[in-house]
Amino acid sequence: DGGITQSPKYLFRKEGQNVTLSCEQNLNHDAMYWYRQDPGQGLRLIYYSQIVNDFQKGDIAEGYSVSREKKESFPLTVTSAQKNPTAFYLCASSLDRANTEAFFGQGTRLTVV
Amino acid sequence: AQKVTQAQTEISVVEKEDVTLDCVYETRDTTYYLFWYKQPPSGELVFLIRRNSFDEQNEISGRYSWNFQKSTSSFNFTITASQVVDSAVYFCALGDSSGSARQLTFGSGTQLTVLP
Repeated sequence: DGGITQSPKYLFRKEGQNVTLSCEQNLNHDAMYWYRQDPGQGLRLIYYSQIVNDFQKGDIAEGYSVSREKKESFPLTVTSAQKNPTAFYLCASSLDRANTEAFFGQGTRLTVV
Repeated sequence: AQKVTQAQTEISVVEKEDVTLDCVYETRDTTYYLFWYKQPPSGELVFLIRRNSFDEQNEISGRYSWNFQKSTSSFNFTITASQVVDSAVYFCALGDSSGSARQLTFGSGTQLTVLP
């Protein structure tokens, strides 16, 4: 089945550690996105990528890094510089054209312990 | 700047009741796109509808209907004869004139609980 797979579903990190969240899609979408969701808030864009080997910062990129070496994969690293990393992270993908919707993965819940 | 307001944080209804989720948006664009997504307890966002600013026709899909009114900058979502499976967080989102998903502004969501 086509879709977006995020792993792991739950992730625990010690303070000061970097951690990488995985996102893979088999929808042949050019564009991929990372969003952060906090309780009672909408989704906020962290990074997005329209093509392989290129990505752009979103509204809250500080403390995060990404790579896009393959069309199917868009991993997100939460670095130790991210001051409040505990959140729900959603990966999405879409066709990179006008008037299109994004498709989302099931998310990764990151908790800093 | 774009903004989406979902003033209803939580709504509880009893099964078979109708419920309307409100969405008010702000934008300076003349061309824009509006979306509704459903987030069930499993976490992923499920796309429900996309509407562009030139199409003000209301839409009905089964028990779901959407009322788009540019005059009041609203894009409200009604579930008729609600069911327990409708329980989820519902997000309204606004896209800019590019129509690209990278320019989405989300509301804070409405938690809908349908009681049996």
